[in-house]
Amino acid sequence: QKEVEQNSGPLSVPEGAIASLNCTYSDRGSQSFFWYRQYSGKSPELIMSIYSNGDKEDGRFTAQLNKASQYVSLLIRDSQPSDSATYLCAVITSYDKVIFGPGTSLSVIP
Amino acid sequence: DTGVSQNPRHKITKRGQNVTFRCDPISEHNRLYWYRQTLGQGPEFLTYFQNEAQLEKSRLLSDRFSAERPKGSFSTLEIQRTEQGDSAMYLCASSRGQIQLLNNSPLHFGNGTRLTVT
Repeated sequence: QKEVEQNSGPLSVPEGAIASLNCTYSDRGSQSFFWYRQYSGKSPELIMSIYSNGDKEDGRFTAQLNKASQYVSLLIRDSQPSDSATYLCAVITSYDKVIFGPGTSLSVIP
Repeated sequence: DTGVSQNPRHKITKRGQNVTFRCDPISEHNRLYWYRQTLGQGPEFLTYFQNEAQLEKSRLLSDRFSAERPKGSFSTLEIQRTEQGDSAMYLCASSRGQIQLLNNSPLHFGNGTRLTVT
């Protein structure tokens, strides 16, 4: 089992719709979780962090964490063409190592 | 805060040659990470440092790869006897302290070094 897994893409949504991205992780000791966005040819940039069970909202983005199920998700409301990118789930393991998932490619269709 | 700096941006080398990349982290950051990323994949963990101490090196990494951070500031990643499979983007990232203990202390990435082995 891979340490961090994400739903396979590519994911295509129409402009204005909600995009849902999922991530599961294997290390039960993990406490910190991040979502990064990566545009083609660019480095990853942080968009959300979450540490406690439940939802965390920031503008059009909502991160959800369920530690019992070892599951993290990211919802993007009112999706815009500029949201088209690869979304990377990152997990801080119990050894403070940062592990990334394979990424989910999102395409927002105008 | 000038950000994380990586040099060179691009490196083309012939198979069998050695290459060395440099990363200058954000000055007050004591954690430094190296990742490798190929097209369509997420960043793959290579190694990380707390100041000058190398905490872990990926088990998947061959002995041809070595990294140092001699004074706890900049770091170098060397690949000996390069192979075509080493072609990838090599990313460096830094953070302030232990991420588990410091909320909102994410990784800050450099622009990467793209290696092409011919």
